[in-house]
Amino acid sequence: GAVVSQHPSRVICKSGTSVKIECRSLDFQATTMFWYRQFPKQSLMLMATSNEGSKATYEQGVEKDKFLINHASLTLSTLTVTSAHPEDSSFYICSARRSRLSYEQYFGPGTRLTVT
Amino acid sequence: AQKITQTQPGMFVQEKEAVTLDCTYDTSDQSYGLFWYKQPSSGEMIFLIYQGSYDEQNATEGRYSLNFQKARKSANLVISASQLGDSAMYFCAMREGMFSGGYNKLIFGAGTRLAVHP
Repeated sequence: GAVVSQHPSRVICKSGTSVKIECRSLDFQATTMFWYRQFPKQSLMLMATSNEGSKATYEQGVEKDKFLINHASLTLSTLTVTSAHPEDSSFYICSARRSRLSYEQYFGPGTRLTVT
Repeated sequence: AQKITQTQPGMFVQEKEAVTLDCTYDTSDQSYGLFWYKQPSSGEMIFLIYQGSYDEQNATEGRYSLNFQKARKSANLVISASQLGDSAMYFCAMREGMFSGGYNKLIFGAGTRLAVHP
């Protein structure tokens, strides 16, 4: 089956610093990648959709200058949380889709971010 | 606007029994898809089953089956012969219309926490 990895799996950073999270599709080329955020005991909320080579589409209420998304290749998307604050502490999950006509999304294992 | 509703925050089931997790949805699209995912405490999202809006047969995958009632806009997950390893959060999700111009993003319900007792 399709495999999506995320790195790092856990990260602790100090308030005011920036953190980069990588999402890679290991055995397929992903035309589209999605970034979700999940607060404890809550559901997944889509933050943004990124397509290789184009700007990400952010969901309403998500600050694009704070959550920078880059989809530089068909196998890699990165999410950078800039000037992180404790309220940004959350579980960040990416998913990848092979093509626009493919309905299935393959999820990464998630990254737990803690901002102190 | 599309919406997914899971009204059961928590469910308990005895090992080897069957359990139904409820999911209702709201959409104006004619073409859409419904998913169920399992999320154990490790956090990974595990795909369980998919039902397309035009599929006439209810989807089945091993011990998982999806009771799709289109007129009632419900897509309940049935887990047969529950196992202790089934204890996890379960999320129902809907994909927007295939050709709605977007990227088929998923909308998730609030989730149901299932506990399987020995």
